[in-house]
Amino acid sequence: KAGVTQTPRYLIKTRGQQVTLSCSPISGHRSVSWYQQTPGQGLQFLFEYFSETQRNKGNFPGRFSGRQFSNSRSEMNVSTLELGDSALYLCASSLLSSSYEQYFGPGTRLTVT
Amino acid sequence: ILNVEQSPQSLHVQEGDSTNFTCSFPSSNFYALHWYRWETAKSPEALFVMTLNGDEKKKGRISATLNTKEGYSYLYIKGSQPEDSATYLCALPEGNDYKLSFGAGTTVTVRA
Repeated sequence: KAGVTQTPRYLIKTRGQQVTLSCSPISGHRSVSWYQQTPGQGLQFLFEYFSETQRNKGNFPGRFSGRQFSNSRSEMNVSTLELGDSALYLCASSLLSSSYEQYFGPGTRLTVT
Repeated sequence: ILNVEQSPQSLHVQEGDSTNFTCSFPSSNFYALHWYRWETAKSPEALFVMTLNGDEKKKGRISATLNTKEGYSYLYIKGSQPEDSATYLCALPEGNDYKLSFGAGTTVTVRA
């Protein structure tokens, strides 16, 4: 079956702009999580969605937001971009929750200049 | 915040040698432990999800053990091959919080 897809794969934005990233989970998976990876940092949890509801949010400022649609596709938005937001953003889907193995997408590489 | 520690941070292994490394976590409120392999330019790939104390899992030349009472898991690679070169991540969900906390990873480089 098709894996997790993320679009776009690469993105260059300037400070102050906003960006929307998209994630399509594996068919049948209802939980979608988002992670940020910056150089020298491990994967940092951003948020997790299930059935269009955010169930948990990581320690990130309010500029980071997300949503999930009825077909389980998810988007995350970052407003007022800062240089420090440059990172690899990964989404992962799983059947029901983070206790189940996560299937990761290829990621979106965001560069903020 | 769940403190997940992995050691060593990196290691270099000669092809054919076996190696192992550790994931340490708080032993209270244990729910599950995940191991992922992350190869360069690829997505993290699930290796194991372990839930029971004493669990042992195996996939090919890679195996893992779990001790929830003392809060650690070992991942073993037997007869390392260059294709085993990757960063190995462990992660634990914070109870029922639907939030997966990752360790910083152990980067394994296998020299031919």
